[in-house]
Amino acid sequence: AQSVTQPDIHITVSEGASLELRCNYSYGATPYLFWYVQSPGQGLQLLLKYFSGDTLVQGIKGFEAEFKRSQSSFNLRKPSVHWSDAAEYFCAVEETSYDKVIFGPGTSLSVIP
Amino acid sequence: KAGVTQTPRYLIKTRGQQVTLSCSPISGHRSVSWYQQTPGQGLQFLFEYFSETQRNKGNFPGRFSGRQFSNSRSEMNVSTLELGDSALYLCASSLLGGETQYFGPGTRLLVL
Repeated sequence: AQSVTQPDIHITVSEGASLELRCNYSYGATPYLFWYVQSPGQGLQLLLKYFSGDTLVQGIKGFEAEFKRSQSSFNLRKPSVHWSDAAEYFCAVEETSYDKVIFGPGTSLSVIP
Repeated sequence: KAGVTQTPRYLIKTRGQQVTLSCSPISGHRSVSWYQQTPGQGLQFLFEYFSETQRNKGNFPGRFSGRQFSNSRSEMNVSTLELGDSALYLCASSLLGGETQYFGPGTRLLVL
């Protein structure tokens, strides 16, 4: 069955430290890939997306993600975390264009000042 | 441009009642998707509408229904509410579907 996994339920990092959030998917082909962020009580905001082309994708707020086909992964990274990055992060996939979007369970990020 | 708006923002209902939630997409967007978010199940896709037609559907019972109007505004309806329907209901719009979705702030529904 098609699925999206985010192995880390909760991560705590110190402000200024680097961050990597993991995402794996199980689909036959290369799906469209997304990372969203949700602050408490808010809707979701798109950080970045991958449709095709360069496997390293730059997003907003200093985030980037790398698509690795061999590992079926789309990990999110940030070189230096800010306290305002504390939020819930969701990886999402869409199998084909105009298909439904499937979200992973999310990773909650806490930032220690 | 104004973002995606959802009304109401908060709602309290009792079991057995029905509820209608509204979503106004970004101007020019023709695709509207609905999601249910709960602590236990996470974000689950409900359905997507495009040009007044349901194009995709998630695995929810028939108590959950929706529609889209000619101006792309969308409503979702839940009949015979159950306690487990308590959730944050998110609406997202996109130009044609399949690309960047823009989310509204959600409607938080509490069923007592």
